[in-house]
Amino acid sequence: SYELTQPPSVSVSPGQTASITCSGEKLGDKNACWYQQKPGQSPVLVIYQDSKRPSGIPERFSGSNSGNTATLTISGTQAMDEADYYCQAWDSSTVVFGGGTKLTVL
Amino acid sequence: EVQLVESGGGLVQPGGSLRLSCAASGFTFSSYTMNWVRQAPGKGLEWVSYISSSSSTIYYADSVKGRFTISRDNAKNSLYLQMNSLRAEDTAVYYCARGTVGRDAFDIWGQGTMVTVSS
Repeated sequence: SYELTQPPSVSVSPGQTASITCSGEKLGDKNACWYQQKPGQSPVLVIYQDSKRPSGIPERFSGSNSGNTATLTISGTQAMDEADYYCQAWDSSTVVFGGGTKLTVL
Repeated sequence: EVQLVESGGGLVQPGGSLRLSCAASGFTFSSYTMNWVRQAPGKGLEWVSYISSSSSTIYYADSVKGRFTISRDNAKNSLYLQMNSLRAEDTAVYYCARGTVGRDAFDIWGQGTMVTVSS
């Protein structure tokens, strides 16, 4: 079965750039998206179709996808960005989520 | 306001059944695909099931195939998940989520409903 692999944790200093990767076989051939989930809240879509931002998502969130890796980049990271981030893609008739990455802003 | 509200969760014994509902409002429900996604306590997101706008196409995760049934009633703006033969590992918060126009992502999520399978 198809798998998406994310690092369990990423740390970043306020104002710096955070990058979270998501790896899967030929992931670049699929549309990747990213969700942000804060404790006790429902997930929020922050990037879809590799690099598009839904309305209301700050410009500091961007995405890319090529080869076997999709990347979520948060520029000028703020304390409010501290959350769990999940990548997701479709593989044929199945939806696959990555295991999630806890972003710590310290 | 675009909104999804789940209901129907609760405590059920192993082997039991439960039916979850998701009420949609603020958008043309019949135009969108819908999904169920669950999250076990302290764990990551796990997709459960997908249904197309007309119910013509349905997919399930292997972990629930043959036990869970997804359905929708476009006249009532509602999505359902019938869960049978429940197991302890089905314990999770269950979210309904709207598919984007391109189907690829889930752009609206409900607040979730907790299902606990325990004796």
